[in-house]
Formats: sequence, C-alpha cells, structure tokens
Amino acid sequence: DAGVIQSPRHEVTEMGQEVTLRCKPISGHNSLFWYRQTMMRGLELLIYFNNNVPIDDSGMPEDRFSAKMPNASFSTLKIQPSEPRDSAVYFCASAESDTQYFGPGTRLTVL
Amino acid sequence: RKEVEQDPGPFNVPEGATVAFNCTYSNSASQSFFWYRQDCRKEPKLLMSVYSSGNEDGRFTAQLNRASQYISLLIRDSKLSDSATYLCVVRTGGFKTIFGAGTRLFVKA
Repeated sequence: DAGVIQSPRHEVTEMGQEVTLRCKPISGHNSLFWYRQTMMRGLELLIYFNNNVPIDDSGMPEDRFSAKMPNASFSTLKIQPSEPRDSAVYFCASAESDTQYFGPGTRLTVL
Repeated sequence: RKEVEQDPGPFNVPEGATVAFNCTYSNSASQSFFWYRQDCRKEPKLLMSVYSSGNEDGRFTAQLNRASQYISLLIRDSKLSDSATYLCVVRTGGFKTIFGAGTRLFVKA
C-alpha cells in the first residue's frame, strides 16, 4: 500500500519565484494536513482539510501561502512569491481517525 | 508559554538503560495525546497514543495526567535503534494538532 506521496522531494528556487508543493494522501483518508518544520520553530501546522474542505488555516504564515484540495486524492501548497525565510521541510499528512501518516516531506531552499 | 513544552535534551543513555520523557500542555480542553518518533531527516511516525488509563507497548509505556496537564513516555531496556527525536503531540477540538519541539535521545553502546 502506498503511503502519502509528496513531490518534489527537494526544491531549490530563487527569492520571488512561485513554488508549488504537491501531496497525494492515502486512499480513503478524509483528513489532510500541511506542516512546516524548521530548526528554530519545530513542526508547525499550517492548514488542515476535512473531506476536501479547509477547516483551519490559522497556521498559514501570511497571504503568500495558499493551499487547495480540489479532490480527495490531491492537494497543493503554493508560496508566491517565495522568500529565504520560507526555507524549511514541508510535510503533508493524512488521517482517517486519530493517527496521522506523514509523507517524506519536501525540502525547500529559497536563495 | 508554548502550548506544548518538552525538554529538548539531548538525553545520552547507555544501552539497557531506562529513560523517561515528560511533556506539558497548556490547554486543559485538549482531547487526544500521542507520542511520535522522528529519525534524522525523516518524517514523524506514530509511536503510541496516550490514554487516561495509561498504556504499554512492549518496552514503551505512556501515561497521561490530566490534573497536572502532562504526559510521559518511559522507555525500558533502551536499544541503539531507539535513538531518535520523540515528539509529544496534543490534539484540541476537531483535528487541530500541536507538536512539541521534541526530545532528542541518543542511546550509546
């Protein structure tokens, strides 16, 4: 059984560019989460969806960040324009009950 | 005050030792509690849920103290493979999930 799939695994971009991170949750899971992890701030919840509907986006740092979930099998997190302080590992996780299953993460570097 | 606080460590222990981690949370309305494990440059993975009655899984024991608002994780007979960062996780209403900063454990031969 495939786990949570994220792409790309690594992304290096220049400041000001648009970045799109992708996530495919585990089939049958009805909740999806986007997290950001840095050494300074640890693992932070950015936004979560339930049945494709955004429930809480209070963790999204600012308007440069947006997330969508057009269907049950796909979600994107977009940063436009990107800044060096956005450099982090971005994780997607899915869940059908209490247990969240994380993807391998996307390591983003903004130069 | 952070919503979920953990001692960052690191804890350096020899193989076979018993080690315990604590985690405190600030929201008394928190509903669910978990310990996750994260290896270096990997994603977090669920280690165990924490129930009010306490629960045990092999060498691992988790306990919850709602009155004092803390959870604990005890690892007995530590193995080299237990070296990782242990994340305390608290869920409030709905699916809002807050991770602690993690406690680093190094088990030495």
